[in-house]
Amino acid sequence: GAVVSQHPSRVICKSGTSVKIECRSLDFQATTMFWYRQFPKQSLMLMATSNEGSKATYEQGVEKDKFLINHASLTLSTLTVTSAHPEDSSFYICSASIESSYNEQFFGPGTRLTVL
Amino acid sequence: GQNIDQPTEMTATEGAIVQINCTYQTSGFNGLFWYQQHAGEAPTFLSYNVLDGLEEKGRFSSFLSRSKGYSYLLLKELQMKDSASYLCASNSWGKLQFGAGTQVVVTP
Repeated sequence: GAVVSQHPSRVICKSGTSVKIECRSLDFQATTMFWYRQFPKQSLMLMATSNEGSKATYEQGVEKDKFLINHASLTLSTLTVTSAHPEDSSFYICSASIESSYNEQFFGPGTRLTVL
Repeated sequence: GQNIDQPTEMTATEGAIVQINCTYQTSGFNGLFWYQQHAGEAPTFLSYNVLDGLEEKGRFSSFLSRSKGYSYLLLKELQMKDSASYLCASNSWGKLQFGAGTQVVVTP
C-alpha cells in the first residue's frame, strides 16, 4: 500500500517551454502533497506544500509564478515549470502524506527534467 | 535556523558495520526519519524515531537523543546492495528538512 506515482519519469524540453509533472497517490487519499527538487549530489530541497482545494505554500526563494502547483483532488497534484531554463534542470520528487501522529511521507519515483 | 549535518561519505567492507551520525538543530521537532536513496531514484523509508532510544529493524537500527539533537543509523552485515545515499530528515512543523545525505560505499 501507500504507492505514489509520478509522470513523466523523464522529460527533455527546449528552453522557454512549460512542463507539467503529475503526482498521484494510487491507493490512498493524501491530505498533503509535497514537491521537492534535488540537484546532483545534493539533498532534497522542499519547494512547496499543497493541500487539496487550497493554494500551495511555497518555501522561501521558490517562485510561485514559475512553479505552478495545482492540487485538484486528494489523489492528484501537478507541478508546472513555466518558461523552463537550463538552470531548472533537476530531479523533481513529490511525496504524499496521510495525516497521522508523525505524518509519514510516501515518495514518488521522481521526474528527471532536462532543459536544453 | 534549521541545520542538519551528516558526513558526506563513508566506506566499509561487505559484512561490516557502519554507523552514520546526524546532528540537527530544528524548531517544531516531531521526530527523525532515515531514508535510503539509490542514484536516480526516490528515497525509501528506513526508520522513524520520535522518542529517545534505539529502534531495531533487522539489519538496520536507528537511535535518537532529543536532548543532544543527535541520531545515528546503524547498518549491520553490510551487503553490496546497501551502497546508496542515506538521508537524515527532521520532521519539523509537519515538513521534512533533509540533510545532504551520506554516500555509503560498500566494497567487496
